[in-house]
Amino acid sequence: GEDVEQSLFLSVREGDSSVINCTYTDSSSTYLYWYKQEPGAGLQLLTYIFSNMDMKQDQRLTVLLNKKDKHLSLRIADTQTGDSAIYFCAETIHGSSNTGKLIFGQGTTLQVKP
Amino acid sequence: NAGVTQTPKFRILKIGQSMTLQCTQDMNHNYMYWYRQDPGMGLKLIYYSVGAGITDKGEVPNGYNVSRSTTEDFPLRLELAAPSQTSVYFCASSYWDRVNEKLFFGSGTQLSVL
Repeated sequence: GEDVEQSLFLSVREGDSSVINCTYTDSSSTYLYWYKQEPGAGLQLLTYIFSNMDMKQDQRLTVLLNKKDKHLSLRIADTQTGDSAIYFCAETIHGSSNTGKLIFGQGTTLQVKP
Repeated sequence: NAGVTQTPKFRILKIGQSMTLQCTQDMNHNYMYWYRQDPGMGLKLIYYSVGAGITDKGEVPNGYNVSRSTTEDFPLRLELAAPSQTSVYFCASSYWDRVNEKLFFGSGTQLSVL
C-alpha cells in the first residue's frame, strides 16, 4: 500500500540546521515533494526530487533521498524563525490513472526558538 | 495574482445541513483537486478534475459531490453534513511542466459540523 510517515514535531534554535525525515512505502514513486504550510495558509511547494537522484540542493534547502531505505529528508541550513511551519512530505506516482494522486505524510511541525 | 481562491474561510454547520465550498483559480489550469486535512494527519484526496466536465473520486469521496462546469471553478458540495466532516478543506490546481506536476493550494476552509 501507499503510506508516508513523518515525525510530528521538531524544535531547533535559530541558526542551527534542521533535519526533517520522511519514509514512504511505494517504491514506484517517481517524484517526492516537500511542502510548507504556514499558519492559516495553504500548502506551498518548497522543493521536489526525482527518484533517480539522491541529492538536490536549493539555497538553504538540501533534499536527500535513499531509495533503498525509502527515506527522504529535508535539511534546512541556518534555520530562521520564519522557517517555523508545518512541513509535509508527499509522493506521487507518475503515469497513474489516478492523475494527481499525491500521498501526504502527517506533517512535521518545526518550531524555531530565537 | 489571485491564484487559487477559496470561500468561505470558516463555517460552522449543524448536523444535516448542506453547503457548498467554493474554489476558483485564474491560472487556466486543467487539473483541480479537493483535499481534506484532519488534525495531525496528512491531506486526503476527496475529488479531482482533469478538465471542465470531467470529475473523479479520490480516496475519501463519500458525503461529497463536485462539479466542473468551467475551467476556473470547482465547487465542493456537502449534503447532510456530519461531525466526521469537520476538517480543513483545501482546493488546489496544477499544471505539468516538462517533467513534473506542480500544485498550487488555496488558503483553506475550516469547517466545523456540530
